[in-house]
Amino acid sequence: EAGVAQSPRYKIIEKRQSVAFWCNPISGHATLYWYQQILGQGPKLLIQFQNNGVVDDSQLPKDRFSAERLKGVDSTLKIQPAKLEDSAVYLCASSLPPGGWNEQFFGPGTRLTVL
Amino acid sequence: KNQVEQSPQSLIILEGKNCTLQCNYTVSPFSNLRWYKQDTGRGPVSLTIMTFSENTKSNGRYTATLDADTKQSSLHITASQLSDSASYICVVSEGGATNKLIFGTGTLLAVQP
Repeated sequence: EAGVAQSPRYKIIEKRQSVAFWCNPISGHATLYWYQQILGQGPKLLIQFQNNGVVDDSQLPKDRFSAERLKGVDSTLKIQPAKLEDSAVYLCASSLPPGGWNEQFFGPGTRLTVL
Repeated sequence: KNQVEQSPQSLIILEGKNCTLQCNYTVSPFSNLRWYKQDTGRGPVSLTIMTFSENTKSNGRYTATLDADTKQSSLHITASQLSDSASYICVVSEGGATNKLIFGTGTLLAVQP
């Protein structure tokens, strides 16, 4: 079974530029999550999708971050414009519909450096 | 406020030695507690998952314990190997409709030859 795929793996941009990350979840997983992991910290949930609908985006900085999952499969996360404090690893995870024990499987992440 | 705290923040041990990592949580509601291993440059990978009724669970050389009364968990690594060098993250699930995960900040373990 293929895992969660993410691209790019690394990205370096200057502040005020825009950047987009892509995630392809495990086939059949209806729930998709985007996390931000700052160095030395645990992941912080940015947004959770159930199919193509948003379940939780309470911690997403909506003035600069946006995410979509138009067809309920792949997802993109965009930052526009980027700030220095956005430097982090952006993790995508997927699971079967939430509830019970449903395991979240994580992708390798995209490491973003904002200069 | 729901929180997960881990100690120590970092740890260095010699290959072949044992070690124990600690996790304290204040999360309600509580569904289950997980330990994840995160290698450098990789996403977290689940090691164990326990509900409140489980006291211990093993996965090879990894053994997790849970005391739901004191809201404490530990992860014991036996006969450490160089490949155990990673960050170990304690995660508590609220369960329910969103299955929200509360992450600790992790313990960074370095195993030296």
